[in-house]
Amino acid sequence: DGGITQSPKYLFRKEGQNVTLSCEQNLNHDAMYWYRQDPGQGLRLIYYSQIVNDFQKGDIAEGYSVSREKKESFPLTVTSAQKNPTAFYLCASSIGSQGKSPLHFGNGTRLTVT
Amino acid sequence: GQNIDQPTEMTATEGAIVQINCTYQTSGFNGLFWYQQHAGEAPTFLSYNVLDGLEEKGRFSSFLSRSKGYSYLLLKELQMKDSASYLCYRGSTLGRLYFGRGTQLTVWP
Repeated sequence: DGGITQSPKYLFRKEGQNVTLSCEQNLNHDAMYWYRQDPGQGLRLIYYSQIVNDFQKGDIAEGYSVSREKKESFPLTVTSAQKNPTAFYLCASSIGSQGKSPLHFGNGTRLTVT
Repeated sequence: GQNIDQPTEMTATEGAIVQINCTYQTSGFNGLFWYQQHAGEAPTFLSYNVLDGLEEKGRFSSFLSRSKGYSYLLLKELQMKDSASYLCYRGSTLGRLYFGRGTQLTVWP
């Protein structure tokens, strides 16, 4: 079955360490997205990619980095520069990039930094 | 900006009908989506409107008025399991997707 997989589900890190969250999809979707969700809040866009080897900053890109070397993969690195990294991170993909088709979400990664 | 506005919280009783509204800026509009999200889980797709009118899917319906920048999600015959956050988001011709903050619905017995 096709889908979008995020790993790990829970991640714990010490402050000052970089950490990379994995996102893989086998839906053959062109567009991929990373969102951050804090308790009681909506989804805020970190980065998005409309095509391989291209990506754009979202609303809260500071302290994060991404790569899109393969269509299937869109890993997110949370760097030590991100001031408040503890959050629930959601990866999503869609057929096109202009909101004409639904987003397919992964199950999320809950990152805790102490 | 591309503000999407939804009520923060709503409550209703089991068996009732509830309407969750969503308003948005109309420039570059490219479709309006509704998602359900239970606490700690990923959002799941409920419905999509690109043309004006009502889309019905079982107990869930969604309505769109493009000229007014307005949509609503209608939930009928509410069940306890419908207690969740409901997110609306709109597509944009600029390639971006804009989410509302979500409406937390609590269904009481």
